[in-house]
Amino acid sequence: SYELTQPPSVSVSPGQTARITCSGDALSRQYANWNQQKPGQAPVSVIYKDTERPSGIPERFSGSSSGTTVTLTISGVQAEDEADYYCQSADSSGGTPHVVFGGGTKLTVL
Amino acid sequence: QVQLVQSGAEVKKPGASIKVSCKTSGYTFTGYHMHWVRQAPGQGLEWMGIINPSGGNTFYAQNFQGRVTMTRDTSTSTVNMELSSLRSEDTAVYYCAVDYNDYFNWGQGTLVTVSS
Repeated sequence: SYELTQPPSVSVSPGQTARITCSGDALSRQYANWNQQKPGQAPVSVIYKDTERPSGIPERFSGSSSGTTVTLTISGVQAEDEADYYCQSADSSGGTPHVVFGGGTKLTVL
Repeated sequence: QVQLVQSGAEVKKPGASIKVSCKTSGYTFTGYHMHWVRQAPGQGLEWMGIINPSGGNTFYAQNFQGRVTMTRDTSTSTVNMELSSLRSEDTAVYYCAVDYNDYFNWGQGTLVTVSS
């Protein structure tokens, strides 16, 4: 089965740059999305199709892709960015696309 | 704007079934696939399946095949998810999420507690 691997945690100080990676074989041929989830809230999409940002998402959120790894970068991290981040992609094996999530990364703002 | 409003929290006994609804607005209901995702307490996101509101076609994740049924009502722009033979491990928040313009717009979530 298709898996996406994320680091369990990342810590940064306010104003620094946070980078969260997500690895999986199919990422070389499938787009990835990133979802932010704050405690007690529903997830919110912050990056889609590797690099695109939905309207209303601050410019400090960006995405990149290289081979089988995608990266979410948050520049000038703010306290409000402390949250869990989940990468998301699709697996088309078997002919029908279905969705896979990474295990999630807890971003701590020190 | 896209809005997904889910039904309220429920408590069920083991062996029972649950039906969670997701009422949509702000977009063309039949134009975009709807997914269901759940999250057990303290755990990550788990994809359950997808429904095409246009024709009602569904595809379920292997972990839920035989226990989950997704349906839609085009007259009310509502999607439903029914999970049967509930067990304690099904205690989770259940989310609907529409794949709108290549990213998910999420409902607010519905807490389902399975307890005797």
